[in-house]
This record gives sequence, structure tokens and C-alpha cells, in this order.
Amino acid sequence: AQTVTQSQPEMSVQEAETVTLSCTYDTSESDYYLFWYKQPPSRQMILVIRQEAYKQQNATENRFSVNFQKAAKSFSLKISDSQLGDAAMYFCAYRILSGNKLVFGAGTILRVKS
Amino acid sequence: NAGVTQTPKFRILKIGQSMTLQCTQDMNHNYMYWYRQDPGMGLKLIYYSVGAGITDKGEVPNGYNVSRSTTEDFPLRLELAAPSQTSVYFCASTMGRLSSGNTIYFGEGSWLTVV
Repeated sequence: AQTVTQSQPEMSVQEAETVTLSCTYDTSESDYYLFWYKQPPSRQMILVIRQEAYKQQNATENRFSVNFQKAAKSFSLKISDSQLGDAAMYFCAYRILSGNKLVFGAGTILRVKS
Repeated sequence: NAGVTQTPKFRILKIGQSMTLQCTQDMNHNYMYWYRQDPGMGLKLIYYSVGAGITDKGEVPNGYNVSRSTTEDFPLRLELAAPSQTSVYFCASTMGRLSSGNTIYFGEGSWLTVV
């Protein structure tokens, strides 16, 4: 069974600084997708970034980028120039290429200090 | 621009009561999902549907039932509420299979407390 582990229950970052959220996963599949979702206090889940396992290039979306290490099964999220609006719970998620089910990690609360 | 709409947003139930969480989407999506999120945990899939008239169990289906009579609606029913069902429930939808790279759209969540 696939599992997703987020080892940091909570992280803090100063406004305008950079923070990295960790995620590791366990799978025997070779092709899959990885995601980072943001869940603000409103509880709505918002897709931040997506990575296809067959792509070697790390995905980037504006201030958000990932460090995807396939061999190590690691998928960290880097947030640059942190803003107050980035404060939220962040979830790492996985699904197999042919699957229709997302497997979520337990989440990391990100606090942004002004 | 409604997307996925869930009702109610908040509900308190007594043990043994029944209720239905409503979910509707206006994007003509074929696939719909129900997740639950317990405190400090990720989302767990309860049930999903790949189209009208078709439903299937997810990871944690016990204590729940679903139906999909139309493309738009995917209600989740709790027949005999138990304290273990206290959670936040999310409905979601996608146009096609997640495996095809479709974006999953979530509703805003429904807070359910069973006392």
C-alpha cells in the first residue's frame, strides 16, 4: 500500500523568507503523480503544485517549487518570499498513474510571521 | 462560478441520528468523491463515483452510504451517527479519471460533530 509521510507537524517562517516542507512516500510503482495542496482556515483544498514522476525536471509555480528525488522517494515543497497569505495547512498527496485515488499525508501547519 | 457546493457547512448530530450531506457540482464532472478529514490527519476516501448510477467504496466506507442519481449530485448519508464520525467532510469532483491528469476540485467542507 502507498503511504505518504510528512514529518513536520508545524513550521514557521518569517515573511519574505524561504521555507521548505518535507514529504516522503512509499510506493512500488514507477509511474505516479505527486501533489502539494494548501488548506487555509476556510478549509478549502487548493492545488499548489503537481509533479509527474516520469519528469526529471522539478515543477515550479511562481514562488512555489519542488525538489523531487525519485530514488529517495522524497518530494519537498519550497516556498520563496513567504507571504502572510501562505499561512495554511499543507498536504502532500500521491496517486498512481492509473489510479483514481489520492493518498494524503497528515499535513504540515505553516505559520508566517510578520 | 459555483464549482463544488456542500451543505450544510456545520451540523451537530446526536448518537444514532441520521443525516445526509449534500454535494452538487456544476462543472458537468463525471467523477465525484467524498473524503473525511480527522484532526491532524490527511484526507481519507469514503466513497467515489465515476458517473451517474455508479458508486464504489473507498478506504473508510463503513457507516456511510452514497447514491448518484444525477451527474450533478452525490449525497453522503450517515444512517446511525457515531462519535467516530465526528470529522470534516469534503466532497470533490474531476472531469475524468485522476490518472488522466484531471484537476480535482474540492468543496469547502462540512463540519460534523456527533455527541
